[in-house]
Amino acid sequence: DTGVSQNPRHKITKRGQNVTFRCDPISEHNRLYWYRQTLGQGPEFLTYFQNEAQLEKSRLLSDRFSAERPKGSFSTLEIQRTEQGDSAMYLCASSLGQNNEQFFGPGTRLTVL
Amino acid sequence: AQSVTQLGSHVSVSEGALVLLRCNYSSSVPPYLFWYVQYPNQGLQLLLKYTTGATLVKGINGFEAEFKKSETSFHLTKPSAHMSDAAEYFCAVSLNTNAGKSTFGDGTTLTVKP
Repeated sequence: DTGVSQNPRHKITKRGQNVTFRCDPISEHNRLYWYRQTLGQGPEFLTYFQNEAQLEKSRLLSDRFSAERPKGSFSTLEIQRTEQGDSAMYLCASSLGQNNEQFFGPGTRLTVL
Repeated sequence: AQSVTQLGSHVSVSEGALVLLRCNYSSSVPPYLFWYVQYPNQGLQLLLKYTTGATLVKGINGFEAEFKKSETSFHLTKPSAHMSDAAEYFCAVSLNTNAGKSTFGDGTTLTVKP
């Protein structure tokens, strides 16, 4: 069990560019969650997958955001036409769906200039 | 719907003193409750969780929390603070449903003074 991994750990981009983040969950976990965390706040739910199906999306997830989980393994989160307000830490978590205990990755810190 | 309120965004204690971090929740159904710790530039690590059963829950690093339904609280305590406990702590609630998404409080930064 190597834990949840996320890449890249840091991303600096210019406003208007597209960025893509990757999350590799714990291998046997069927649920995968994306959260966004800004300075001084707790993580905010963005979306979650059960296997390859995206079952819920937050209102925070504008149409510039898209997430996929092909084959129910790793997941990608893409942000198109980035804005300065997208600057945040993007956290991925996975779980087995038992008692909702989630295991978090180290996060990807996005800075939009 | 569910929500979490963490009272006190900053708590400072002396090394060896009692740690008390407060968390109140609201939930329309029986909740699952969690405390996580986050060190700078790292992800969240689960300290402890309450799902069902015993209301006093023991976690890692000497932390424990008590689920009090009548007070809708899930306060985190540790009898004796250590310098390594300095971090940010998040309380979270999720519903006893298939979704499993968690709602987090805004966090409490714990400072431990020597």
